[in-house]
Amino acid sequence: GQQVMQIPQYQHVQEGEDFTTYCNSSTTLSNIQWYKQRPGGHPVFLIQLVKSGEVKKQKRLTFQFGEAKKNSSLHITATQTTDVGTYFCAGPANQAGTALIFGKGTTLSVSS
Amino acid sequence: NAGVTQTPKFRILKIGQSMTLQCAQDMNHNYMYWYRQDPGMGLKLIYYSVGAGITDKGEVPNGYNVSRSTTEDFPLRLELAAPSQTSVYFCASSYRHSSLSTDTQYFGPGTRLTVL
Repeated sequence: GQQVMQIPQYQHVQEGEDFTTYCNSSTTLSNIQWYKQRPGGHPVFLIQLVKSGEVKKQKRLTFQFGEAKKNSSLHITATQTTDVGTYFCAGPANQAGTALIFGKGTTLSVSS
Repeated sequence: NAGVTQTPKFRILKIGQSMTLQCAQDMNHNYMYWYRQDPGMGLKLIYYSVGAGITDKGEVPNGYNVSRSTTEDFPLRLELAAPSQTSVYFCASSYRHSSLSTDTQYFGPGTRLTVL
């Protein structure tokens, strides 16, 4: 069945270092979404990418959607302690797009 | 707007007991979802609903039941609780604009369930 894989599972950085998480799908995706979950919290939507090769920025966060629409990445520049949490990518679970399939997430910890 | 609300926040069940996890949204969203989250395993879809009276199975539906009698409410029922159902349960909702879109999902705060 369809799979969405994320690497790494965990990443620890010093404050100010950069961080990247990668998402790979076993199938071509019509779009991909990214969510962030703070420790003890619930997932919160960050962004959706739709076009092949699309790049979107939100302040220090840069999101990319691969040319083949099977992979994506999230890059954080100069991490801060507020970036701590688990970052999930998610793609449509079926052709109708009525549900999402989530990756297992990358948990980021930041030490100051 | 309260968004998506879930009750209870925490619950401990004994093996074989049953319970209903409540979920409500006040955003007039047509789609609603139930996920379970186990440590390091991401979010697994249990059931979802595309509108009142319509539900469908997700990836891990065994041991659970749902109903959707109103747009606002989407309760999840555990009939015979088992230790494997120990997890954090999240309800989510979204508004489907068209058949060509995939929607932003809004999550509730979660219910932490332990089955002993």
